[in-house]
Amino acid sequence: DVKVTQSSRYLVKRTGEKVFLECVQDMDHENMFWYRQDPGLGLRLIYFSYDVKMKEKGDIPEGYSVSREKKERFSLILESASTNQTSMYLCASSDRLEVTFGSGTRLTVV
Amino acid sequence: AQSVTQLDSHVSVSEGTPVLLRCNYSSSYSPSLFWYVQHPNKGLQLLLKYTSAATLVKGINGFEAEFKKSETSFHLTKPSAHMSDAAEYFCVVAFNQAGTALIFGKGTTLSVSS
Repeated sequence: DVKVTQSSRYLVKRTGEKVFLECVQDMDHENMFWYRQDPGLGLRLIYFSYDVKMKEKGDIPEGYSVSREKKERFSLILESASTNQTSMYLCASSDRLEVTFGSGTRLTVV
Repeated sequence: AQSVTQLDSHVSVSEGTPVLLRCNYSSSYSPSLFWYVQHPNKGLQLLLKYTSAATLVKGINGFEAEFKKSETSFHLTKPSAHMSDAAEYFCVVAFNQAGTALIFGKGTTLSVSS
């Protein structure tokens, strides 16, 4: 089975901190995604990557950046965390139409 | 424009009764469609998918969905609800074969009472 592993299950960070969320997949998938999930808003795409060093903005990229230096790893970076970035963050990877999600990172910014 | 609408934000059923979760999409293409389930504090798990083969798709845990092109719908059903089915369900549409153009519905919370 494809595994998508997010390094942290829960994180608490202070306003203004630089935050790194890490995601690793083990099935050589081309595509990787970062979503945030908020009550009543569903999942919203922040960024996705279709190859190493390639990235595309999603629907809500403001305040975020990403890094994909290796095929298996896709990092989400909050340059200066703010309280409105408190959310559940979900990483996913896909090979054409097989999309697999990680368990999520619940980030709280205080 | 492409869109996905889950028609109910919350559905409540009794254990042993049928489940119907509704999803409509808008697209000028023939998309691929998925249903995912998310249990509390867990990631999303694929229930089933439609990718232009049989229009009635069977998934895990007794769920199935029927693709109806004329109605642009992909409703999820289960004949008999179980307590463990209580979760949030997402209808997802892929608008390209690469799987990079995914649109999520806003989710339907299913509650099951005994």
